[in-house]
Amino acid sequence: GENVEQHPSTLSVQEGDSAVIKCTYSDSASNYFPWYKQELGKGPQLIIDIRSNVGEKKDQRIAVTLNKTAKHFSLHITETQPEDSAVYFCAASIPQGAQKLVFGQGTRLTINP
Amino acid sequence: EPEVTQTPSHQVTQMGQEVILRCVPISNHLYFYWYRQILGQKVEFLVSFYNNEISEKSEIFDDQFSVERPDGSNFTLKIRSTKLEDSAMYFCASFAFENTEAFFGQGTRLTVV
Repeated sequence: GENVEQHPSTLSVQEGDSAVIKCTYSDSASNYFPWYKQELGKGPQLIIDIRSNVGEKKDQRIAVTLNKTAKHFSLHITETQPEDSAVYFCAASIPQGAQKLVFGQGTRLTINP
Repeated sequence: EPEVTQTPSHQVTQMGQEVILRCVPISNHLYFYWYRQILGQKVEFLVSFYNNEISEKSEIFDDQFSVERPDGSNFTLKIRSTKLEDSAMYFCASFAFENTEAFFGQGTRLTVV
């Protein structure tokens, strides 16, 4: 089955700097790649997603890139702010059967003021 | 904005007892999921439910687990005889169509003592 690896597990950046989180996936059939932000005591919330027919997607300070050949995708946050501090999860989904999401291990991002 | 709601937010139960975790998915959604997150670990798929039946389940979802959509709005997860290792955060998720955004509830923290 699909396996998603995420790095780094923790990331600390200065406010205003950029943060990059990377994920790799194993199943070339995966075609949907969402990123979730989880704040303390809350459920994961979708912040951006990308499908396999697109190489890059941007939404204000957040961007995601996808390299299908290498089977990896990355989250880029620019001009980081303290409210960006949270745990971020990447996920991959195969368009067959139940289309379940397979999550990475998560990255705890801390923005230092 | 529509949201998935889960009750209770925290449940403490004795080992061997039955628990029922409840979820109200977004009303026009067709696909329903339960995920589990053991403290500090990744979010893991448990089961998916579509068209009033289980469409896929993971190895974790053994005979002690069951799901039900009793009245067309609620979606429940039952653990028949809880074990210590069932202690985790349980998330319900729903989405409307394949390859669309999955909305997660805020989770139920289950503590088995």
